[in-house]
Amino acid sequence: DAGITQSPRHKVTETGTPVTLRCHQTENHRYMYWYRQDPGHGLRLIHYSYGVKDTDKGEVSDGYSVSRSKTEDFLLTLESATSSQTSVYFCAISGGVTGELFFGEGSRLTVL
Amino acid sequence: QKEVEQDPGPLSVPEGAIVSLNCTYSNSAFQYFMWYRQYSRKGPELLMYTYSSGNKEDGRFTAQVDKSSKYISLFIRDSQPSDSATYLCARYSTGKLIFGQGTTLQVKP
Repeated sequence: DAGITQSPRHKVTETGTPVTLRCHQTENHRYMYWYRQDPGHGLRLIHYSYGVKDTDKGEVSDGYSVSRSKTEDFLLTLESATSSQTSVYFCAISGGVTGELFFGEGSRLTVL
Repeated sequence: QKEVEQDPGPLSVPEGAIVSLNCTYSNSAFQYFMWYRQYSRKGPELLMYTYSSGNKEDGRFTAQVDKSSKYISLFIRDSQPSDSATYLCARYSTGKLIFGQGTTLQVKP
């Protein structure tokens, strides 16, 4: 299995609170991604990174920010969580050639 | 319009059936086309990928791309209960992987 871990795996929080999800890799891959998965929508790209301090927006980036200060860590932050951000969040990593992404186990976030 | 469109199903077939899963895409830029499989409560895993029109086979699985009609297909022969999962088509270009909605498949013994 690719060395990728997400934390926390489960979180329940209240509307308006900040939330940070962490993705950590041990593969030294250049690309890292954050997706959210919701019924009927499949996986939607939030943000991705193509190197340290290099990030770009995906399909559904509003309300989310990311940071990558080290190759191995990619953080996803919800500055003020809303109920519409209740979802399962997946981190993924890639060497960046053919589109083969390796996914983490997911982080289930519930915003009450 | 979503970049990659996929019928979400669900799709239920008897064991041994041939399964056909389909997607359409809208962007014509050079890209790879992928099929990922996702079991319940797990992250997706790459099943197959191709970058050219035509067919690519891997055991019981065949991926087909028709660039003229912007159509992607996955065929599963002799389907097994262990094939029950969600199948996601995707296109990869310039570092971004964009998925379709995913089709949930159930293969009944």
